[in-house]
Amino acid sequence: NAGVTQTPKFRVLKTGQSMTLLCAQDMNHEYMYWYRQDPGMGLRLIHYSVGEGTTAKGEVPDGYNVSRLKKQNFLLGLESAAPSQTSVYFCASYTGLAGVKIGELFFGEGSRLTVL
Amino acid sequence: GDSVTQMEGPVTLSEEAFLTINCTYTATGYPSLFWYVQYPGEGLQLLLKATKADDKGSNKGFEATYRKETTSFHLEKGSVQVSDSAVYFCALGGQRGGNKLTFGTGTQLKVEL
Repeated sequence: NAGVTQTPKFRVLKTGQSMTLLCAQDMNHEYMYWYRQDPGMGLRLIHYSVGEGTTAKGEVPDGYNVSRLKKQNFLLGLESAAPSQTSVYFCASYTGLAGVKIGELFFGEGSRLTVL
Repeated sequence: GDSVTQMEGPVTLSEEAFLTINCTYTATGYPSLFWYVQYPGEGLQLLLKATKADDKGSNKGFEATYRKETTSFHLEKGSVQVSDSAVYFCALGGQRGGNKLTFGTGTQLKVEL
């Protein structure tokens, strides 16, 4: 089983460039999330989605946009990259069925982004 | 808002030593509590969880008890192995719309022979 797959795994950008991170899950999960992981700060939620066609802001949404056009995909976009967005980005998914395995998120392997 | 505080690492232990990683939390209501583990080069995986006060979560020799009176969820293991070397994250949540989790900063554990 593939689970949660993120592409690309690594990317280097110049300040001001744009890019999109793709997250795909094959578990038919309703909920999907984008987190960023920075040293000493743990994981912080950027945006999330509770179903196809829906998105919502997390803790640190500024500078990012997301889309969930298909249930299995959740895209994270950086329109104008800044050095402060250098981080490791993790996508996660959750079944979303009421009362089922609350909090049990499945994570991808991460995408390391460097903005010069 | 909700928050999680973990002990800073890295924690370095010899194989077969006893492990405790402290975690305390601040939250409104009655959140579920979790420990996630991140092995080098991988994403996070759920290690164990507890959904209400006095529940004990356990998995792979690790245990943690949901202590509402001390707002704590300390992770313990009686005898660590080199293969337990990883970063451990305490988290809370799952109680509001979106099943969002709030994570601690993570504690790196290094186990040496």
